[in-house]
Amino acid sequence: SYELTQPPSVSVSPGQTASITCSGDKLGDKYASWYQQKPGQSPVLVIYQDNKRPSGIPERFSGSNSGDTATLTISGTQAMDEADYYCQAWDSSTVVFGGGTKLTVL
Amino acid sequence: QLQLQESGPGLVKPSETLSLTCTVSGGSISSNTYFWGWIRQPPGTGLEWIGNIYHTGTTYYNPSLKSRVTMSVDTSKNQFSLKLSSVTAADTTLYYCARISGTKNDAFDIWGQGTMVTVSS
Repeated sequence: SYELTQPPSVSVSPGQTASITCSGDKLGDKYASWYQQKPGQSPVLVIYQDNKRPSGIPERFSGSNSGDTATLTISGTQAMDEADYYCQAWDSSTVVFGGGTKLTVL
Repeated sequence: QLQLQESGPGLVKPSETLSLTCTVSGGSISSNTYFWGWIRQPPGTGLEWIGNIYHTGTTYYNPSLKSRVTMSVDTSKNQFSLKLSSVTAADTTLYYCARISGTKNDAFDIWGQGTMVTVSS
């Protein structure tokens, strides 16, 4: 079965750029989505189709996808961005989520 | 603004069947632009996809759960449902329903608040 691998944790200083990776076999041939989940809340879609932001998502969130790796980039990271982030892709008609990355802003 | 709300028993006995319903409000479940999914998340861990259903009733399930999962849709009530049979303690988790958007390349763009289900005698 298809798998997506994320680092368990990423740390970033406020105002700096955070990059969270998601790896999967030929992931670049698929579209990646990213979800933000804060404690006690439901996930929120922050990036879809590799690099598109839904309405209401700040411009500091961006995405890319090439080869075997998709990357979520948060520029000028703010304290409010501290959360768990999950990547997701489709493999045929099934959905695959990455294991999640805890972003710490310190 | 479309909203999703999960409902169902919070406690299920081992070996019995877990049944949850997701009610869609503020929009039609019968839209050809969207379809609907169930995802679960054990406390403190990641997201696990359970399955998807179209308003036509077509379903796709996670292969690891397929033998125990049944999803259905009731367009007259604007609801879709999940049944998970032969539950064990491993099925104790938070269950979410979500909308999958064809305009966002099939991303899960709206989520319910989630409902916690505990499997215990």
